[in-house]
Amino acid sequence: TAGITQAPTSQILAAGRSMTLRCTQDMRHNAMYWYRQDLGLGLRLIHYSNTAGTTGKGEVPDGYSVSRANTDDFPLTLASAVPSQTSVYFCASSPTPVGIQYFGAGTRLSVL
Amino acid sequence: KNEVEQSPQNLTAQEGEFITINCSYSVGISALHWLQQHPGGGIVSLFMLSSGKKKHGRLIATINIQEKHSSLHITASHPRDSAVYICAVLSRMDSNYQLIWGAGTKLIIKP
Repeated sequence: TAGITQAPTSQILAAGRSMTLRCTQDMRHNAMYWYRQDLGLGLRLIHYSNTAGTTGKGEVPDGYSVSRANTDDFPLTLASAVPSQTSVYFCASSPTPVGIQYFGAGTRLSVL
Repeated sequence: KNEVEQSPQNLTAQEGEFITINCSYSVGISALHWLQQHPGGGIVSLFMLSSGKKKHGRLIATINIQEKHSSLHITASHPRDSAVYICAVLSRMDSNYQLIWGAGTKLIIKP
């Protein structure tokens, strides 16, 4: 079972360019999440989706957008990347919004 | 002050030692999670608890709701336990539940 898959695993991106981080889960979980992790800080929630067709803003949503067209996929888009978006991005899913979360392996993004 | 505080931030111990990592929080919670992040970056959920104590192998998690405090214990520690241990609390905000994350405790177990 694949679980939750993120792509790419790493990326170097020029400032001002756009990029979509992909996240796919095969566990039929209702809830999905995008976090960023920066050195010395805890995970910070960017956007979430409690069920297909709905999304919500987390703690640090600015500069990011998401969509949830179906249960399995939850892409994160940076419309115009800035260096402060250099981070490790984790996608997670859970059966319900209050359940244990299962994490992808992360995407390491450097914006130069 | 952060809503979820972990201590210590860093911990180095010898193989075989009993390890305790603490988590204090200042908000009302529905549940508390302990997770492990391996040196390679992967994050794995260890426990979700809302009262009492849970045990899995050499790992024990306890929570005291009245004191707003949880501890993660590792018995007979081993170098493979070296990782970052993260506490997160599930709290209701407006009409949604969200996890509030601690900054993590970096544990190194030396052989």
